[in-house]
Amino acid sequence: QLGVTQSSSASASLGASVRLTCTLSSGHDSYAIAWHQQHPQKSPRFLMKVNGDGSHTKGDGIPDRFSGSSSGAERYLTISRLHSDDEADYYCQTWGTGSQVFGGGTKLTVL
Amino acid sequence: QVQLVESGGGLVEPGGSLRLSCAGSGFTFRDYFMSWVRQAPGKGLEWLSFISPQSHFVNYAKTVKGRFTISRDNAEASMFLQMKSLTVDDTAVYFCARETGYYDVDSIDLWGQGTMVIVSS
Repeated sequence: QLGVTQSSSASASLGASVRLTCTLSSGHDSYAIAWHQQHPQKSPRFLMKVNGDGSHTKGDGIPDRFSGSSSGAERYLTISRLHSDDEADYYCQTWGTGSQVFGGGTKLTVL
Repeated sequence: QVQLVESGGGLVEPGGSLRLSCAGSGFTFRDYFMSWVRQAPGKGLEWLSFISPQSHFVNYAKTVKGRFTISRDNAEASMFLQMKSLTVDDTAVYFCARETGYYDVDSIDLWGQGTMVIVSS
């Protein structure tokens, strides 16, 4: 069954870098995923699509500090030079014929 | 301006019905798969349903199959979600979302601001 798993929380210091992980379910190693950012009481915002080969396509206006990569069944979102407003929930999303699936989200705290 | 705007949320009693609308603008609405996604208070995102550009393909999450019906009107650049037999577990913010695919489901790349649905007696 298609699914994605995320850690529930992560933290990093202001100005540092952090890498968030989204893990695809067994047998779905080649699937692409998308990353979305959501601030409290706001709607989600599309950040980027990350393909199985590690290539990624970012949404309009997404800063260069945000990048994506892949390794096996894992898809990553790396945020460099953390700003205070990077503190948010980050969701990964994947899809197959007939369905969409979201991970449980990672709450990022910027220390 | 490329945007999605939802409407139609509100307070409804258990067992009741509600129809949500989503209006797209700033892009060629008929070229995209569209989805509904919801978020219960304090919870994560839950995909509910998608519809293909010409309404040939639709699908639903198990939690809403048989109770919710998705539809669209490309001439009006609008999508709808008819919800019936609502329960307290349907209380959530409902988001309209655009997918990047034309021939198949794909990543969501545009979100609406959401509309709140509260199911309570």
